[in-house]
Amino acid sequence: GAVVSQHPSWVICKSGTSVKIECRSLDFQATTMFWYRQFPKQSLMLMATSNEGSKATYEQGVEKDKFLINHASLTLSTLTVTSAHPEDSSFYICSARTGLQPQHFGDGTRLSIL
Amino acid sequence: GESVGLHLPTLSVQEGDNSIINCAYSNSASDYFIWYKQESGKGPQFIIDIRSNMDKRQGQRVTVLLNKTVKHLSLQIAATQPGDSAVYFCAENTPSGTYKYIFGTGTRLKVLA
Repeated sequence: GAVVSQHPSWVICKSGTSVKIECRSLDFQATTMFWYRQFPKQSLMLMATSNEGSKATYEQGVEKDKFLINHASLTLSTLTVTSAHPEDSSFYICSARTGLQPQHFGDGTRLSIL
Repeated sequence: GESVGLHLPTLSVQEGDNSIINCAYSNSASDYFIWYKQESGKGPQFIIDIRSNMDKRQGQRVTVLLNKTVKHLSLQIAATQPGDSAVYFCAENTPSGTYKYIFGTGTRLKVLA
């Protein structure tokens, strides 16, 4: 149980394009979803917290107009990296939780901007 | 605490031996702690958790110890296997009502055959 699916797992695109990443909870309803960014050999950095039907809460230093988050249902949240540039290249990971259960993570999306 | 390093500390253990991975957490008010295992190119996988009203919890081959006095958490893996090779992160739940986690810096576990 508690499976979180993330898509795509890997994407390469040109500088200036926008990229959408999907995060789905497959077998449970996620009251809250989280988006993280991870650089090589480093820990996970929380970008934003997303509750279904409400605006995401962004961590300090994360540009909300750059990283658009939509949490339209209890099983789907999306992260759109707008006008992506090489410095946005990273490993993006989502997690989902319900009630007091621990966060369960997707397998991440490796984003490479050329 | 939050990671600022450019490389992970590594623990090398002989196959069959026990592993102990340590973590210092940052907030004395944190009420819930979790250990995650992350394999290369994948997301973190839940291993075991513990609430702040406990000091020890056991799972299958794993034990988590919590010492609130010194804000220290450890993960013990019994009879370490090659499949245990991964990066291990501790996470603390901040008591802010948002259930945000703060992740530790991580430790790479290498199991030697």
